[in-house]
Amino acid sequence: DSGVTQTPKHLITATGQRVTLRCSPRSGDLSVYWYQQSLDQGLQFLIQYYNGEERAKGNILERFSAQQFPDLHSELNLSSLELGDSALYFCASGEGQGTYEQYFGPGTRLTVT
Amino acid sequence: AQKITQTQPGMFVQEKEAVTLDCTYDTSDQSYGLFWYKQPSSGEMIFLIYQGSYDEQNATEGRYSLNFQKARKSANLVISASQLGDSAMYFCAMSCRTGANNLFFGTGTRLTVIP
Repeated sequence: DSGVTQTPKHLITATGQRVTLRCSPRSGDLSVYWYQQSLDQGLQFLIQYYNGEERAKGNILERFSAQQFPDLHSELNLSSLELGDSALYFCASGEGQGTYEQYFGPGTRLTVT
Repeated sequence: AQKITQTQPGMFVQEKEAVTLDCTYDTSDQSYGLFWYKQPSSGEMIFLIYQGSYDEQNATEGRYSLNFQKARKSANLVISASQLGDSAMYFCAMSCRTGANNLFFGTGTRLTVIP
């Protein structure tokens, strides 16, 4: 158990809908990273938050957004969903800037029908 | 730009034998970290081992060791005494000191342990 929690574990929704994925980092970790794993794109970095502020963006679509709350949990919002958004979404947490180790949550498997 | 290359889409190993999974990387950063993660069929990403670019000794964690050759930019994972439970996807990843420290992943190697 990495200490990172993600909910829900599975999500099935229709095209055009909006969903929210939730992540709670390990105790003491200030950084949260979101990653997407899909068959065609592999594992790719979406966005990072550090202590409530956006730190870096990767290949995140404009239809996607995220935030980190004062209690350090984070939410990833996916809107106007398309079939191609079906993927496994991971949250990872780390102690903070300048350190490398990241611990992954169990992931949320999103299926868009 | 950072890049991780795993050239072995699939590997087979006999139970109790050792196996090496290849990983090469490319970065212009001097300070970086190299990781291996295991992803079983259940989907979770399990951290296995970490090597810092300035670490002179190869990292070891139980049956896992990382064969770090900096000049060749390679970071191969060696699994000794393979077990059936080692069957999974294995991802090599890199994080650089500059920037967000996010992980760049390779395409993975599917390891199958044969009884």
